[in-house]
Amino acid sequence: GAGVSQSPSNKVTEKGKDVELRCDPISGHTALYWYRQSLGQGLEFLIYFQGNSAPDKSGLPSDRFSAERTGGSVSTLTIQRTQQEDSAVYLCASSPQLGGNSPLHFGNGTRLTVT
Amino acid sequence: TQLLEQSPQFLSIQEGENLTVYCNSSSVFSSLQWYRQEPGEGPVLLVTVVTGGEVKKLKRLTFQFGDARKDSSLHITAAQPGDTGLYLCAGYLIQGAQKLVFGQGTRLTINP
Repeated sequence: GAGVSQSPSNKVTEKGKDVELRCDPISGHTALYWYRQSLGQGLEFLIYFQGNSAPDKSGLPSDRFSAERTGGSVSTLTIQRTQQEDSAVYLCASSPQLGGNSPLHFGNGTRLTVT
Repeated sequence: TQLLEQSPQFLSIQEGENLTVYCNSSSVFSSLQWYRQEPGEGPVLLVTVVTGGEVKKLKRLTFQFGDARKDSSLHITAAQPGDTGLYLCAGYLIQGAQKLVFGQGTRLTINP
């Protein structure tokens, strides 16, 4: 399939540990977004990439969160020293272009549980 | 403060009934999109509305964009159990139009 792929699909970690979440966007999509969804609620914007650049990091909840994108493709979201409030589903989406009313194509998310 | 307010947040109705979900804001959007999400999956785009006053139909679903481009509605006619899911509205702001902001969602349950 040529959709957005996220791994792992589920991650259980102990409080204080670091975790890394991976996103493989649709080939050729220049824009990539990360969102967080708690308990089947709406999506909280975290960060977006245009190519490898992240012009707006204002949505990251704290300095424990960081993200990078390499080769205009794969992106990783890293959470350091995880806390219980970090438990949520982390969704990645890609789009052919940034903004411009473009639709987002989502992966199935990584469900993170911090114990 | 939620930029896009959806109402109702939960709705449970019987098969065959009609329903409307609302998405409201005090901000102006260049476009609004509606997504549907099933458990364990990511949201999937249903429609994009771009022009103020625009109406789009997708089978039994009718989407409308407000004249002032601050609100939208989703109307479902003769709801079916297969319509069950989380419906999310999302929009690109006129200013800061690079990121798509989402409402909190409407969880719809259609009972047979």
